[in-house]
Amino acid sequence: AQSVTQLDSHVSVSEGTPVLLRCNYSSSYSPSLFWYVQHPNKGLQLLLKYTSAATLVKGINGFEAEFKKSETSFHLTKPSAHMSDAAEYFCVVSDPAGTYKYIFGTGTRLKVLA
Amino acid sequence: DTAVSQTPKYLVTQMGNDKSIKCEQNLGHDTMYWYKQDSKKFLKIMFSYNNKELIINETVPNRFSPKSPDKAHLNLHINSLELGDSAVYFCASSQDQVTSYNEQFFGPGTRLTVL
Repeated sequence: AQSVTQLDSHVSVSEGTPVLLRCNYSSSYSPSLFWYVQHPNKGLQLLLKYTSAATLVKGINGFEAEFKKSETSFHLTKPSAHMSDAAEYFCVVSDPAGTYKYIFGTGTRLKVLA
Repeated sequence: DTAVSQTPKYLVTQMGNDKSIKCEQNLGHDTMYWYKQDSKKFLKIMFSYNNKELIINETVPNRFSPKSPDKAHLNLHINSLELGDSAVYFCASSQDQVTSYNEQFFGPGTRLTVL
């Protein structure tokens, strides 16, 4: 069965410092992986996705993630945090068992300090 | 233009009532979904329709009944509302359900509060 573990429920960084949000996955197949962001009282927006092409994936707003099969990880990074990055971030794996339904991680709340 | 829209945005109701949430997408997608986000922000799929046909039906009480009149609409009807139904419900759509890397587009959510 597919699963996703987000290792930190809360992350705090200072504005201008790097962001690292950690995600590990479990999959019997070559997975498709996604990062979504949810700003307060908003819907989810796709940041980036991994689809077995390049292992380093660049997304919107300066975010990127690296797929590491040996570590079963797909961590999200950004070189310099902005106040507007404060939000909830979800790592998602697409279950290839027929319906490709999304399986969500439990989310990481990113706080950016001035 | 709003890609995936939901109405209403907020819904406050009494226990035992019946309510509906509507969802529409103008992306021309074949597949639509309903998710429930609980108070701890955990998201779980409830249903998925592909071209008006039910393809995913997770373990959801049968008080919840999705209806897809056409592939651009997926409504959620809830009978006999209970306190535990309070949550944010998200609608989403994707191009299809046969490609693992198709992203899903989410609506803004409907916050349901059952008193």
